[in-house]
Amino acid sequence: SQTIHQWPATLVQPVGSPLSLECTVEGTSNPNLYWYRQAAGRGLQLLFYSVGIGQISSEVPQNLSASRPQDRQFILSSKKLLLSDSGFYLCAWSNMGQGTWEQYFGPGTRLTVT
Amino acid sequence: AQTVTQSQPEMSVQEAETVTLSCTYDTSESDYYLFWYKQPPSRQMILVIRQEAYKQQNATENRFSVNFQKAAKSFSLKISDSQLGDAAMYFCAYKKGGSEKLVFGKGTKLTVNP
Repeated sequence: SQTIHQWPATLVQPVGSPLSLECTVEGTSNPNLYWYRQAAGRGLQLLFYSVGIGQISSEVPQNLSASRPQDRQFILSSKKLLLSDSGFYLCAWSNMGQGTWEQYFGPGTRLTVT
Repeated sequence: AQTVTQSQPEMSVQEAETVTLSCTYDTSESDYYLFWYKQPPSRQMILVIRQEAYKQQNATENRFSVNFQKAAKSFSLKISDSQLGDAAMYFCAYKKGGSEKLVFGKGTKLTVNP
């Protein structure tokens, strides 16, 4: 079965510091991967998605970037965090090549920028 | 642009009763998918049920069923025999066929009273 991991679970960082959130998927090959952000009391906003290694599409221009160094690894980064980067970050996967067109989410990372 | 509207910010139901959560969407596409996700206090997004727009039959997953009214662009979720563990935020989501992007509504907070 497929599982998706995210770490860290919780992070508190000062303004101006760098960020690296990691997501890995097990049990599937060549998945599509996604990063979402959820602000307090709101729905999810798609930030980035990737259909393959090194292929990143950005949905919202912002202070963040994403990379996919390996097939099942997706990283969300920032060089300098802003207060507005605080939120709950969710990674998700799908695999349309295997008929899995719905998206499955990881446990999330709660980021607080102070 | 596609939009998803959940008009009920909060709902409550008595344990063992039935509740219906509303969702409407706006699209000019004919190929699309609709989803309901549950987000419990742990904040992990859990897929509850999915519906392909080309299917006329309403999807059902155990105690969860949908009422898909394509012409009215309505996609409501019915929870039967409500349980305390059903208490969560529920998000309706839309995905255009061939697109990677899930568009979420703002959510409905469901409270289950014992």
